[in-house]
Amino acid sequence: DGGITQSPKYLFRKEGQNVTLSCEQNLNHDAMYWYRQDPGQGLRLIYYSQIVNDFQKGDIAEGYSVSREKKESFPLTVTSAQKNPTAFYLCASSIPPPSGVYGYTFGSGTRLTVV
Amino acid sequence: AQSVTQLDSQVPVFEEAPVELRCNYSSSVSVYLFWYVQYPNQGLQLLLKYLSGSTLVKGINGFEAEFNKSQTSFHLRKPSVHISDTAEYFCAVSSMDSNYQLIWGAGTKLIIKP
Repeated sequence: DGGITQSPKYLFRKEGQNVTLSCEQNLNHDAMYWYRQDPGQGLRLIYYSQIVNDFQKGDIAEGYSVSREKKESFPLTVTSAQKNPTAFYLCASSIPPPSGVYGYTFGSGTRLTVV
Repeated sequence: AQSVTQLDSQVPVFEEAPVELRCNYSSSVSVYLFWYVQYPNQGLQLLLKYLSGSTLVKGINGFEAEFNKSQTSFHLRKPSVHISDTAEYFCAVSSMDSNYQLIWGAGTKLIIKP
């Protein structure tokens, strides 16, 4: 079955360390997204990519970096510059606009905790 | 700028009672509307969507929503909730204004009381 796989499900990081969250999809979607979710704050867009080798900053990109070398993969690196990285991170993909308006498909998320 | 307002952060309701989760949006152009559900520690799952046509949209798990253009609303309803409906529900809108990216509401937690 097609879908999005995020790994790991739980991740612990020491302060000052960079960490990379994995997101892989086999839906043949061109567009991919990273969101951060904090209690009571809904979804906030970190980065998105509509095509391989291209990505755009979202609303809260500071302290994060991404790459899009393959259509299937969109890893997110949380750098030491991110002051408060403890959160639930969600990856999503979609058929890029305007060719499709089908909504997004989400992964099951990665919970990152800084210890 | 386009925005989505979910008026209630939490909605408590007794099991087997009806429920309505409210969603209003602001947009000057044609919109596409979505409701997603998120169970604890999971990703979001599409409940239903309005793209065009009939304003009453039926989704999974017995949920439905009605698009009201004049009131710019897309409220989610279920005639009888179950304990398994305990989750957070997100409304989202897409249009040319947002380059068809989804703009999200803040979410509503549905709390089912036994």
